[in-house]
Amino acid sequence: KQEVTQIPAALSVPEGENLVLNCSFTDSAIYNLQWFRQDPGKGLTSLLLIQSSQREQTSGRLNASLDKSSGRSTLYIAASQPGDSATYLCAVPQGGSEKLVFGKGMKLTVNP
Amino acid sequence: DTAVSQTPKYLVTQMGNDKSIKCEQNLGHDTMYWYKQDSKKFLKIMFSYNNKELIINETVPNRFSPKSPDKAHLNLHINSLELGDSAVYFCASSQGSMSYGYTFGSGTRLTVV
Repeated sequence: KQEVTQIPAALSVPEGENLVLNCSFTDSAIYNLQWFRQDPGKGLTSLLLIQSSQREQTSGRLNASLDKSSGRSTLYIAASQPGDSATYLCAVPQGGSEKLVFGKGMKLTVNP
Repeated sequence: DTAVSQTPKYLVTQMGNDKSIKCEQNLGHDTMYWYKQDSKKFLKIMFSYNNKELIINETVPNRFSPKSPDKAHLNLHINSLELGDSAVYFCASSQGSMSYGYTFGSGTRLTVV
């Protein structure tokens, strides 16, 4: 059974810092890994999708890496801004199914 | 041009009532899902439908019944609502999540009083 862990559960940083958000998963036989952002009271916004054959994906100030063999993914946020404050979740499909397994998320606060 | 839309956004109702949440996607995806986010913000899958056929049915009370009239719509009907049903319910869709990932709706916050 796939389990996804995100540590720490919360992070508070001053504006401008480069950030590293961690995600680990127990079953390395994944097809892809997806990072989402959730703002308070809002839905989930997909940030990056990394296929199992890829090592990283980039979108603007965001860069996500994937190491399947070690069961880890990292989301880098460069030059953080207050607008980056949100909860960040990573998720992977379980086994060969369409079922997405989520971590509990990491609540990020970027202080001006 | 909303990709996955849910209605209503908020729903407050009394225990014992029956309510429905509607979901529509205009992405042309074949698979749709319902996820539940509990008070601790943990997201778990409830159901998935592929082209109107039920594919995944997690351990969910049978008071919850999904219905998919066509592949663009997946509704969730809940009978005899209980306090513990209070949560945020998210609809999502994918076109083969293995390659393309998921797109989520903005959620329906259900409060049972």
